[in-house]
Amino acid sequence: GALVYQYPRRTICKSGTSMRMECQAVGFQATSVAWYRQSPQKTFELIALSTVNSAIKYEQNFTQEKFPISHPNLSFSSMTVLNAYLEDRGLYLCGARDPRASAETLYFGSGTRLTVL
Amino acid sequence: GEQVEQRPPHLSVREGDSAVITCTYTDPNSYYFFWYKQEPGASLQLLMKVFSSTEINEGQGFTVLLNKKDKRLSLNLTAAHPGDSAAYFCAVSAHNNAGAKLTFGGGTRLTVRP
Repeated sequence: GALVYQYPRRTICKSGTSMRMECQAVGFQATSVAWYRQSPQKTFELIALSTVNSAIKYEQNFTQEKFPISHPNLSFSSMTVLNAYLEDRGLYLCGARDPRASAETLYFGSGTRLTVL
Repeated sequence: GEQVEQRPPHLSVREGDSAVITCTYTDPNSYYFFWYKQEPGASLQLLMKVFSSTEINEGQGFTVLLNKKDKRLSLNLTAAHPGDSAAYFCAVSAHNNAGAKLTFGGGTRLTVRP
């Protein structure tokens, strides 16, 4: 079956520093990867969508300068939170699309929970 | 772009009662609909995915209804139990969206009291 692993599960960083999180698709080739953030007590906001053979598309309020994403192959993606501050804390989810699955299904990893001190 | 409104934001029911969560969306091109469950401290668990052509879907202990005319999607937990206590999110995706961009509702925090 389709599995998505995210690493690390939890991380703590000092304000102003950066942290990198990884997303690995297992058992399928992810034709697109979406990164979401869930801030405390809120819903999931799309940060960016990375589709094979296309440029990474960032949503409003999110920029490549702040959240650079690497998507070197169909099974791996990473995102860095640069210069993290308190408002960046939350749960970061990676969703990978399995083209074999119906209904444009995104399979989500367990998330990386970021705490900023 | 797509906007998804989810109601209610908080819901508390007694064990055995039903619980209904509703989402409305704006994009008439929306074609794929999802319900996710998020337990405390955990990630998203896919409960059900619904296509545009499907109006009623039954899962284990719940029913999903889709009304395209009203652009409304609902999740009905028929006999809630304490294990159903979690946050529930609907998500909507437009047809032929090769990038599979999901727009989430605001979430409903369900508490089932014994």
